[in-house]
Amino acid sequence: GAGVSQSPRYKVAKRGQDVALRCDPISGHVSLFWYQQALGQGPEFLTYFQNEAQLDKSGLPSDRFFAERPEGSVSTLKIQRTQQEDSAVYLCASSWSETQYFGPGTRLLVL
Amino acid sequence: EDKVVQSPLSLVVHEGDTVTLNCSYEVTNFRSLLWYKQEKKAPTFLFMLTSSGIEKKSGRLSSILDKKELFSILNITATQTGDSAVYLCAVLNAGGTSYGKLTFGQGTILTVHP
Repeated sequence: GAGVSQSPRYKVAKRGQDVALRCDPISGHVSLFWYQQALGQGPEFLTYFQNEAQLDKSGLPSDRFFAERPEGSVSTLKIQRTQQEDSAVYLCASSWSETQYFGPGTRLLVL
Repeated sequence: EDKVVQSPLSLVVHEGDTVTLNCSYEVTNFRSLLWYKQEKKAPTFLFMLTSSGIEKKSGRLSSILDKKELFSILNITATQTGDSAVYLCAVLNAGGTSYGKLTFGQGTILTVHP
């Protein structure tokens, strides 16, 4: 079956631009997570959804970051007024139990 | 704050060698520990460990958890060049609305030379 998909795979943005990153989880997976992975580091938790409810957004680094999952399936991570420090790989994961399955990530480069 | 530390940070070996990767953790509401392999794409799931002392095996890979000493090891025997990757250790927090939140270590970069 299809795994987690993310789009775009690569995004180059000028500082100050807004970006939107999409995640399509595995069908039927209730839980959806966003992580940020800086170069040479492990992924860091950003936010967690259970169906359409955002139960934990403690990892979002600033109010420029916003995530939604309005129908409990596809999720979008939006970053407003991007800064150079936002450059990273953004990983989405989904699960129906404890094992999280990851998508290929979106590599964001802010110039 | 939950913390996961992996060692070594990088490792270079030759094909056929055996390697041991280490992961130690401090977490307030431990539920399980997971190992992932990350090449130039999505981290792929290897193992989930919940109970101490029970070894999990998959081919040449095996892993074990020690909940008393708060660490896990990942062994790879008879390494191959295809094992070259970053190996990530993560712990799953079971508490409250953080259920399911993974805290990752920084990863071990394994390079296997022919």
